[in-house]
Amino acid sequence: DVKVTQSSRYLVKRTGEKVFLECVQDMDHENMFWYRQDPGLGLRLIYFSYDVKMKEKGDIPEGYSVSREKKERFSLILESASTNQTSMYLCASSFVTGVVGYTFGSGTRLTVV
Amino acid sequence: KNQVEQSPQSLIILEGKNCTLQCNYTVSPFSNLRWYKQDTGRGPVSLTIMTFSENTKSNGRYTATLDADTKQSSLHITASQLSDSASYICVVDLYNNNDMRFGAGTRLTVKP
Repeated sequence: DVKVTQSSRYLVKRTGEKVFLECVQDMDHENMFWYRQDPGLGLRLIYFSYDVKMKEKGDIPEGYSVSREKKERFSLILESASTNQTSMYLCASSFVTGVVGYTFGSGTRLTVV
Repeated sequence: KNQVEQSPQSLIILEGKNCTLQCNYTVSPFSNLRWYKQDTGRGPVSLTIMTFSENTKSNGRYTATLDADTKQSSLHITASQLSDSASYICVVDLYNNNDMRFGAGTRLTVKP
């Protein structure tokens, strides 16, 4: 089974802190994605990556950056956390976009106080 | 405006009963329509995937239908079980584009 592992299930950070959310997949997928999920809004794409060192902005990239130094790892960075970034963050990966199903990680519930 | 609308927002049914969840979309053209199940505190897990030319796809007690003319999809759950309690999310893949549009989900609660 494909596994997408997010390093933390729950995180509590203070306003202004730099936050790293890590995601690792073990199936040699080229494509990796970061979403945030908020009640009533569904999943919204923050950033995605189709290759090592490659990144593209999604629908809501403001306040976030990403890093993909290795194929299996895709990191989401909150440069200066704010309370409106309190959310569930989901990482996903896929081999061929739009053909094979996406596999999601279990999510990281981030609370910024 | 979200391009994928799901209804109802939440639903409570008794164990053993059937239910149908709805998904209306305006995304066009699209390549695939997916239904995901998301347990509380977990990531979404794929239930069904239908291409734009398919009308129905089953996965055990879950049956998804697609009407591309009316831009509607439904997920029918038969003989519900307590473990069906979850959020069900409808997702549309944009055609020839590395992008997906997500519905906000329907929260299903199955009570004994």
